[in-house]
Amino acid sequence: SQTIHQWPATLVQPVGSPLSLECTVEGTSNPNLYWYRQAAGRGLQLLFYSVGIGQISSEVPQNLSASRPQDRQFILSSKKLLLSDSGFYLCAWTRDVRYNEQFFGPGTRLTVL
Amino acid sequence: EDKVVQSPLSLVVHEGDTVTLNCSYEVTNFRSLLWYKQEKKAPTFLFMLTSSGIEKKSGRLSSILDKKELSSILNITATQTGDSAIYLCAVVNAGGTSYGKLTFGQGTILTVHP
Repeated sequence: SQTIHQWPATLVQPVGSPLSLECTVEGTSNPNLYWYRQAAGRGLQLLFYSVGIGQISSEVPQNLSASRPQDRQFILSSKKLLLSDSGFYLCAWTRDVRYNEQFFGPGTRLTVL
Repeated sequence: EDKVVQSPLSLVVHEGDTVTLNCSYEVTNFRSLLWYKQEKKAPTFLFMLTSSGIEKKSGRLSSILDKKELSSILNITATQTGDSAIYLCAVVNAGGTSYGKLTFGQGTILTVHP
């Protein structure tokens, strides 16, 4: 069976510090991978998605970036965090977005002070 | 730009009530519409809808897609306190340069009182 991992679960960082959030999927190959941010109690904002290695689409211009160094690994990064980067970050995967639902990781709660 | 709008944004009901949540969308190259339930952390999948007029059902929950009206509804009958959650709707764009993109609505916060 497939599982998706995210770490860390919670993170408190000062403004201006770097960020690296990691997401890995087990039990499948060539998944479609996604990063979302969620404000308190609201919907999900798509940040990045990748339908294959070396293919990353960015949805929102910001100080965040994403990379996919391996088939089942998706990393969200920032060189300098802003206060507005605080939120709940969710990674998700799907086998094929045309036919399959997305499965979400447990999320990372980021607080920027 | 793909867009998903959910209504109402929040809803408070009592146990036993029936609720209807709405989702309308604008998307190029529509592929499917998905419903999720989110309680504390990660959203959990409820339904995937691709064809108009075919109801999907799971226990007290059901959903249907209307491609002509570009909308979907999620019904919950005989609500229970455990149904309290954020319900999220998303659409899949499966064409062209937006292939693989999912757009979520802002969610409906459902609160069920005993």
